Amino acid sequence: EAGVTQFPSHSVIEKGQTVTLRCDPISGHDNLYWYRRVMGKEIKFLLHFVKESKQDESGMPNNRFLAERTGGTYSTLKVQPAELEDSGVYFCASSSDRVTNEKLFFGSGTQLSVL
Amino acid sequence: AQSVTQLGSHVSVSEGALVLLRCNYSSSVPPYLFWYVQYPNQGLQLLLKYTSAATLVKGINGFEAEFKKSETSFHLTKPSAHMSDAAEYFCAVSLMDTGRRALTFGSGTRLQVQP
Repeated sequence: EAGVTQFPSHSVIEKGQTVTLRCDPISGHDNLYWYRRVMGKEIKFLLHFVKESKQDESGMPNNRFLAERTGGTYSTLKVQPAELEDSGVYFCASSSDRVTNEKLFFGSGTQLSVL
Repeated sequence: AQSVTQLGSHVSVSEGALVLLRCNYSSSVPPYLFWYVQYPNQGLQLLLKYTSAATLVKGINGFEAEFKKSETSFHLTKPSAHMSDAAEYFCAVSLMDTGRRALTFGSGTRLQVQP
């Protein structure tokens, strides 16, 4: 069974440019999450999809970030325009469970560097 | 609101020695508690989780953690470290009975195992 796939694995862009990160969850997983780790600090929640709907987007830092999950399959996270403080590792995770103590399967992350 | 504190961003032990990684949490309602591990160039993997059943939780690879409500702690231990345990470890909390599924992570502890 394929795991959670993220690409690109690395992205280097200049301030003001646009970047789109993609996440392919495990097939059949309704729940999809985005998390971010900045500068080796704690991993912070960004948002949670259930199928194609945004269940919780309380962690999105500002309106430069746009997440979509059309059709309830893969998801994209667009940053436009990117700022220096957006640099970090962006993780995607998915799960199939319907309860709060679910097991999350994480991708290996996208390392974003904004110069 | 909830938070997680991991004491020690780096821990070094000798092969065969006890591993102890500390995690303290704060939460306004009963928590679910997790330990995740990240090996180089991989996504986070669930080691173990506490979900209000037994307070001593056994996980994969010989790790275990004990939930101590009076101390608001969930320290991770392993009796004998292996070289393969070298990785970064994250403690995380989510809240029971809220329906909100976002995890709050600590800042991570990097475990180094010396031969």
